[in-house]
Amino acid sequence: DTGVSQNPRHKITKRGQNVTFRCDPISEHNRLYWYRQTLGQGPEFLTYFQNEAQLEKSRLLSDRFSAERPKGSFSTLEIQRTEQGDSAMYLCASSQTGGDGYTFGSGTRLTVV
Amino acid sequence: EDQVTQSPEALRLQEGESSSLNCSYTVSGLRGLFWYRQDPGKGPEFLFTLYSAGEEKEKERLKATLTKKESFLHITAPKPEDSATYLCAVQNYGGATNKLIFGTGTLLAVQP
Repeated sequence: DTGVSQNPRHKITKRGQNVTFRCDPISEHNRLYWYRQTLGQGPEFLTYFQNEAQLEKSRLLSDRFSAERPKGSFSTLEIQRTEQGDSAMYLCASSQTGGDGYTFGSGTRLTVV
Repeated sequence: EDQVTQSPEALRLQEGESSSLNCSYTVSGLRGLFWYRQDPGKGPEFLFTLYSAGEEKEKERLKATLTKKESFLHITAPKPEDSATYLCAVQNYGGATNKLIFGTGTLLAVQP
């Protein structure tokens, strides 16, 4: 068990550029979550996958955000036309149905300049 | 609307000085209350899940308790390595996502 892996760890991009983050969950976990955390705040839910199906998206997830989980394995989160307000830590977590709590990755810190 | 409020926002303790962190919550139907520890620049690390009022769980110097309105994280004789942000989150029975609603955390600093 290598835990939840997120890449890259840090990303600096210019406003208006597109960025994509990757999350590799714990292999036997069928549930995958994306959260966003800004400085001094707790994580906020963005979206949820059960296997390959995206079952819920937060109102925080504007049309510029898209997430995929092909074949129910790794997941990607893409942000198009980035804005300075998108600067945050993007956290991925996974869990097993009936499991106790999530396992979070170390996150991808996005800075939009 | 489900809500979690944590207090204090920040807490500074001397090594060995015991204290408690508070998590007040309102939720339509509590499925579980979670405590996480977060170190700077890292993702949250799972500590405990509590499911019903009266439940208690312990891990080393930490003990979590739950009532119908709040949870406490008691830290007994803390050490500098306990310094971190402690996050509380609730999960409700509504929907199938098991998403967590987090508070803003308590930043704990333990000085030697």
